[in-house]
Amino acid sequence: SSDLTQDPAVSVALGQTVRITCQGDSLRNYYTSWYQQKPGQAPKLLSYGYNHRPSGIPDRFSGSSSGNTASLTITGVQAEDEADYYCNSRDSSGNHRVFGTGTKVTVL
Amino acid sequence: QGQLVESGGGVVRPGRSLRLSCAASGFSFSTYAMHWVRQAPGKGLEWVGLISNDGNYQYYADSVRGRFPISRDNSKNILYLQMNSLRPEDTAVYYCTRDWFTMVRGMTADAFDIWGQGAVVTVSS
Repeated sequence: SSDLTQDPAVSVALGQTVRITCQGDSLRNYYTSWYQQKPGQAPKLLSYGYNHRPSGIPDRFSGSSSGNTASLTITGVQAEDEADYYCNSRDSSGNHRVFGTGTKVTVL
Repeated sequence: QGQLVESGGGVVRPGRSLRLSCAASGFSFSTYAMHWVRQAPGKGLEWVGLISNDGNYQYYADSVRGRFPISRDNSKNILYLQMNSLRPEDTAVYYCTRDWFTMVRGMTADAFDIWGQGAVVTVSS
């Protein structure tokens, strides 16, 4: 299967930690990248490879992976972290890319 | 760091065609593969397709294969998405994005590191 499944929504209190997961068979063989999207904006790259972050991304965002599940952890959630989050990886063929179903994070 | 700017969006009737352009600046366009990604209203992100840096190969999502050829002009630093036989379900914001990769622990780590602002395409009668 080429599908990547995410929980539709999660809520987290300000300053707490939240983990967003992404499941799919292809994740056993390919790395996952993570994106944050706020309303009306283009997605922004947060994490890629094995917990690598682009320049300018706070270290409260960290990626990890085990077996068929990839995770994005936000430690010490800030109000500005309220957004939609998407994972992405290659499909089982290796030629196509596929996005996860997306997770809406609400900060309480 | 680089910038991508899409253009060509609009309202079109079902069955008609539309071509999107994505102008790249601030980086060596011809050395990067490029992708199109779309997002229907209120929905998630959907990968549409990619073109290699030299334009020699393309891959497409099943939903658009045979209808949405991707091309590029490296002399002009422009990426194109030709959308034919449009359907109402093709209504979406279309983003162009740069393919970036590196090797991590012996495996390729891919990412979309630069995104355009998006072009709105509405297919309606």
